[in-house]
Amino acid sequence: GENVEQHPSTLSVQEGDSAVIKCTYSDSASNYFPWYKQELGKGPQLIIDIRSNVGEKKDQRIAVTLNKTAKHFSLHITETQPEDSAVYFCAASKNSPYALNFGKGTSLLVTP
Amino acid sequence: NAGVTQTPKFRVLKTGQSMTLLCAQDMNHEYMYWYRQDPGMGLRLIHYSVGEGTTAKGEVPDGYNVSRLKKQNFLLGLESAAPSQTSVYFCRTGNTEAFFGQGTRLTVV
Repeated sequence: GENVEQHPSTLSVQEGDSAVIKCTYSDSASNYFPWYKQELGKGPQLIIDIRSNVGEKKDQRIAVTLNKTAKHFSLHITETQPEDSAVYFCAASKNSPYALNFGKGTSLLVTP
Repeated sequence: NAGVTQTPKFRVLKTGQSMTLLCAQDMNHEYMYWYRQDPGMGLRLIHYSVGEGTTAKGEVPDGYNVSRLKKQNFLLGLESAAPSQTSVYFCRTGNTEAFFGQGTRLTVV
């Protein structure tokens, strides 16, 4: 089955710096790659996603890049703010809703 | 529009006790899922349902049962709770996209 590896497991950055989280996947048939943000005491929430026919997608300070050849995708957060502090999860899927495979998460801390 | 609602939010059980977690959604989604989240393990799929009256096993189904008698509700049952089932449980709905509930923190002592 699909295996999604996520790195790093923890990341600490200064406010205003950029943060990058990387995920690799094993199944070349995967074609949907969402990212979720989980704040303390809450459920994960979708923040951005990308499909395999696109190489990059941006939404304000957040961007996701996809390299299908290398089978990895990354989340980029620019101009980080303390409210970006949370756990971030990547996931990969290949048109099978129940086969949305999650990475183990990255705990991001943005210090003022 | 409440989205995905889980009850209860917190629960402490003694080993051997039983309980049912309820997930209710008002988005008319066919697919519903139960995950558990443990430190360093990410989200692991317990059971899922592709529609009313259907259920299927996920990655870690042992010790849990589920039912989907109504489209809007997905119940997760623990017949005889064990300390290893101490976890945070999340309900999810949606097909490829995922909408999560707020979670249920369960402690089994």
